[in-house]
Amino acid sequence: QSALTQPASVSGSPGQSITISCTGSSSDVGTYNLVSWYQQHPGQAPKLIIYETTKRPSGISNRFSGSKSGNTASLTLSGLQPEDEADYYCCSFATGSTWVFGGGTKLTVL
Amino acid sequence: QVELVESGGGVVQPGRSLRLSCTASGFIFRTYAMHWVRQAPGKGLEWVAVLSYDGGNQYYADSVRGRFSISRDNSKNTVYLQMNRLSAEDTAVYYCARGGSYYFFDFWGLGTLVTVSS
Repeated sequence: QSALTQPASVSGSPGQSITISCTGSSSDVGTYNLVSWYQQHPGQAPKLIIYETTKRPSGISNRFSGSKSGNTASLTLSGLQPEDEADYYCCSFATGSTWVFGGGTKLTVL
Repeated sequence: QVELVESGGGVVQPGRSLRLSCTASGFIFRTYAMHWVRQAPGKGLEWVAVLSYDGGNQYYADSVRGRFSISRDNSKNTVYLQMNRLSAEDTAVYYCARGGSYYFFDFWGLGTLVTVSS
């Protein structure tokens, strides 16, 4: 159950697009299309923004999109807004019926 | 609306036990798997355990297997996390989360803080 690898931080200016990568292995991301992404603002509970690698829950802006290639999943956020500044976590279902999170990425909107 | 409320956190000495509860409302509890996820202070999220909708299947992270036990009472819309042989490394905010289609966490509670300290 090794953690997925995410960049510690990313930044972008309002209106720009950013992408956060999430690298796992053949035991998780590479085998299952069951990657999810969560947004967490300081002092708040996480919030689901992408599930099953590419799907958006009801009410989540279409500025958020997910994709996957091999052992790496990605979250792209377009048209950055100040309220997007938060921590972002990826998570994957893994062999042995367990789940593994990434270490988290702090997004700064400049 | 879906609501999850955790309780039972607090300060506990190393080696002791604690039981967390999470009471759900706003959905048909008995039809959903339930998870526990924790977050150490200033750190990232760590999945802890899952229990299937009927209580028939449970799985744990390596870091807690053999010490923690997840259970549920569908008549009370409540899921529990029994934590034994606690250590400082278990200090964290513990969230319960609903298993949307089992494989992701679609609703989260606000969490309850567990501090293991002498």
